Amino acid sequence: NAGVMQNPRHLVRRRGQEARLRCSPVKGHSHVYWYRQLPEEGLKFMVYLQKENIIDESGMPKERFSAEFPKEGPSILRIQQVVRGDSAAYFCASSPDSPKTQYFGPGTRLLVL
Amino acid sequence: DAKTTQPPSMDCAEGRAANLPCNHSTISGNEYVYWYRQIHSQGPQYIIHGLKNNETNEMASLIITEDRKSSTLILPHATLRDTAVYYCIVRVEGNSGGSNYKLTFGKGTLLTVNP
Repeated sequence: NAGVMQNPRHLVRRRGQEARLRCSPVKGHSHVYWYRQLPEEGLKFMVYLQKENIIDESGMPKERFSAEFPKEGPSILRIQQVVRGDSAAYFCASSPDSPKTQYFGPGTRLLVL
Repeated sequence: DAKTTQPPSMDCAEGRAANLPCNHSTISGNEYVYWYRQIHSQGPQYIIHGLKNNETNEMASLIITEDRKSSTLILPHATLRDTAVYYCIVRVEGNSGGSNYKLTFGKGTLLTVNP
């Protein structure tokens, strides 16, 4: 996976709690993408970020979800007031430039009880 | 991005070549063919990509037909660890505008390598 790191690998939350998913891209990559994979479904694009900028969040639910990629530190996908339907695998990918090959991390599996 | 069609599943004997087909009859001239795979419970793994020439790397070979309407991913000596869902994706590479950064994953082909 060319060095994309995600943590935690597994996250359990109760309904109404907040979930924070972190992604450290490959060293030198300044473009980060988040995808969600619901059970038995394919990966769906959520958001594309560059350092300190959200480029495209068209795939992200309008409420409760937010993403950031600060100048320093990992990219964060934040889900507020989680519901059972948020249970899924969340994958982060990075690339050195936007149209280039994306390399994926191992994912964070979120389970909402 | 052009749509792709893949068989839902395939079997292959360990040690034999696995040939995974993909149809992309509406592909545009500037769209590349990408292959990823997802081993159970892991993140998608990039395998190979190409535009029109055949490509080979340490993992696989990619054969693209002359009219570019279809391609085949070849794993020359499949092992049990190659059991995975394989995704064929076409996308534009380069600064052509639009949202070509979005990877569209279909259902892929579940390749099962049997001992």
